[in-house]
Amino acid sequence: GAGVSQSPSNKVTEKGKDVELRCDPISGHTALYWYRQSLGQGLEFLIYFQGNSAPDKSGLPSDRFSAERTGGSVSTLTIQRTQQEDSAVYLCASRDSGGGNTGELFFGEGSRLTVL
Amino acid sequence: TQLLEQSPQFLSIQEGENLTVYCNSSSVFSSLQWYRQEPGEGPVLLVTVVTGGEVKKLKRLTFQFGDARKDSSLHITAAQPGDTGLYLCAGNTYQKVTFGIGTKLQVIP
Repeated sequence: GAGVSQSPSNKVTEKGKDVELRCDPISGHTALYWYRQSLGQGLEFLIYFQGNSAPDKSGLPSDRFSAERTGGSVSTLTIQRTQQEDSAVYLCASRDSGGGNTGELFFGEGSRLTVL
Repeated sequence: TQLLEQSPQFLSIQEGENLTVYCNSSSVFSSLQWYRQEPGEGPVLLVTVVTGGEVKKLKRLTFQFGDARKDSSLHITAAQPGDTGLYLCAGNTYQKVTFGIGTKLQVIP
């Protein structure tokens, strides 16, 4: 497919377990973003990757959260020792940097995480 | 800290009514975008405004960027049930994109 793909679409885990969420951006998009959305709310910025530059991690809520982007393409968001407050939809978006900072963000459908 | 304030957060109106949603910030943005999100899906871009004072029209939707590039508004004329959804403004600074809390709109037939 040509869009942003995220997996899993749904994840239920027990408190204290680690989870990995995956994002496949649109081919050729150098910018990749992770956001968290609580029920019906706005998007909370987590982390942003741009090409080979150091990622902007300023939105990560704690050191239990980390993300990497391998080969400038696929990204994985890892949450260690999950807590109930981590329950949310995690959205990934990519953007063609050729549009500068006016380009459209293309979003995946999100990964819904539920921590019991 | 929420950099972008949106109001109202919830709006329920009858089909055919007009409405305006506001997005305000103390920060200056190089551009501002409006997205619409439906349940179970990711947000989809409606418009990007770049120049202070800019007005863009998209059918029944009118978007305005404030002169100081700190605020924006979205006006919908003659709302339709298909307009129902979560409307999000997003400010661009360099490459970082910050979203507002959103306005949940319900248009009742």
